Amino acid sequence: EDQVTQSPEALRLQEGESSSLNCSYTVSGLRGLFWYRQDPGKGPEFLFTLYSAGEEKEKERLKATLTKKESFLHITAPKPEDSATYLCAVHTNNDMRFGAGTRLTVKP
Amino acid sequence: NAGVMQNPRHLVRRRGQEARLRCSPMKGHSHVYWYRQLPEEGLKFMVYLQKENIIDESGMPKERFSAEFPKEGPSILRIQQVVRGDSAAYFCASSPRDRALTGYTFGSGTRLTVV
Repeated sequence: EDQVTQSPEALRLQEGESSSLNCSYTVSGLRGLFWYRQDPGKGPEFLFTLYSAGEEKEKERLKATLTKKESFLHITAPKPEDSATYLCAVHTNNDMRFGAGTRLTVKP
Repeated sequence: NAGVMQNPRHLVRRRGQEARLRCSPMKGHSHVYWYRQLPEEGLKFMVYLQKENIIDESGMPKERFSAEFPKEGPSILRIQQVVRGDSAAYFCASSPRDRALTGYTFGSGTRLTVV
């Protein structure tokens, strides 16, 4: 069965303290891996799509990378406004499957 | 260019009542997806629709739940005879193509509370 697991469940950082979020997956027929950001009371907001192992995408303080088994979302020198839940989703031949998310809190 | 519009934002229903959730996709998008999110859990796929067609309903409970996307008007997710366990946030997303690899655009969700 297709599975997407995100870790850690929650992460607390000081402003400026870089870290990484992990998304590991076991799926058949990966067509793409997505990262979304979700703020409380809102719908997920699309960040990145990665299609193949070795691919990297960057946006401001965020960088997403992909291997054959997992993806990392690296956050460099985070700011309080980066606080949100970050969701990973894998697009397979059958559907789009989401992980449970990592809840990131960045303290000033 | 409005994004995905969902209404109502909050919906309270008593057990046994019907809940109707509406979703207007982004302009130019003809593919609609419904997801359910429980607290501290990820988004669970429910159904994928195109205009007048249900493409994939593998995530929909077999009873009480139905969805439609008519030729005119918004997509509707309908829950009959609601129970407490139906309380959740329901998100609609849209894309311009089939299971688009560009990522979905999500609405702000409808938070259903069954009392």
